[in-house]
Amino acid sequence: SQTIHQWPATLVQPVGSPLSLECTVEGTSNPNLYWYRQAAGRGLQLLFYSVGIGQISSEVPQNLSASRPQDRQFILSSKKLLLSDSGFYLCAWTSGARTEAFFGQGTRLTVV
Amino acid sequence: SQKIEQNSEALNIQEGKTATLTCNYTNYSPAYLQWYRQDPGRGPVFLLLIRENEKEKRKERLKVTFDTTLKQSLFHITASQPADSATYLCALDMVLGSTLGRLYFGRGTQLTVWP
Repeated sequence: SQTIHQWPATLVQPVGSPLSLECTVEGTSNPNLYWYRQAAGRGLQLLFYSVGIGQISSEVPQNLSASRPQDRQFILSSKKLLLSDSGFYLCAWTSGARTEAFFGQGTRLTVV
Repeated sequence: SQKIEQNSEALNIQEGKTATLTCNYTNYSPAYLQWYRQDPGRGPVFLLLIRENEKEKRKERLKVTFDTTLKQSLFHITASQPADSATYLCALDMVLGSTLGRLYFGRGTQLTVWP
């Protein structure tokens, strides 16, 4: 069966520090991968999506970047965190269009 | 730009009653609409998917309707239970080509079912 792993679960980082969140999917190949952010009391905001290795599309210009070095690995990064980067970050995958998304457990990021 | 509205941030109902949640959207013609459940501190979990040519979809105590003329979806939980308490998210599927779909989410409605 397919599983999605996302880590770490919680993270507290100072302003100006770098960030690297990792997500891996098991049990499937060539998934569509997504990064979402959920601010307190807000809905899920789509940040990045990818249809294949090295193919990244950004939904919203911001202080973050994403990479997909392997088929089932998706990484969210920042060179210098801002206070406004705090939130709940979720990785998700789908097997294609018209299908449901499967989410990881999320990373609670607090920038202090 | 597309806008997704879920009618209320919170809904409180008594156990055994039917909960009805609303999702409205504008500036958009989705091919598919999905509903998810999210518990505190967890990722959303898929519940139901309905296509634009389907009027209604059921799964156990759950029912979803999709009215593309009104640009609205209704999500019903019948015989609600305290375990149904969670945040429910509406998501619109924007299909790009044949293989990629992007899901845009509403803010969600927090449902509380009290005994």
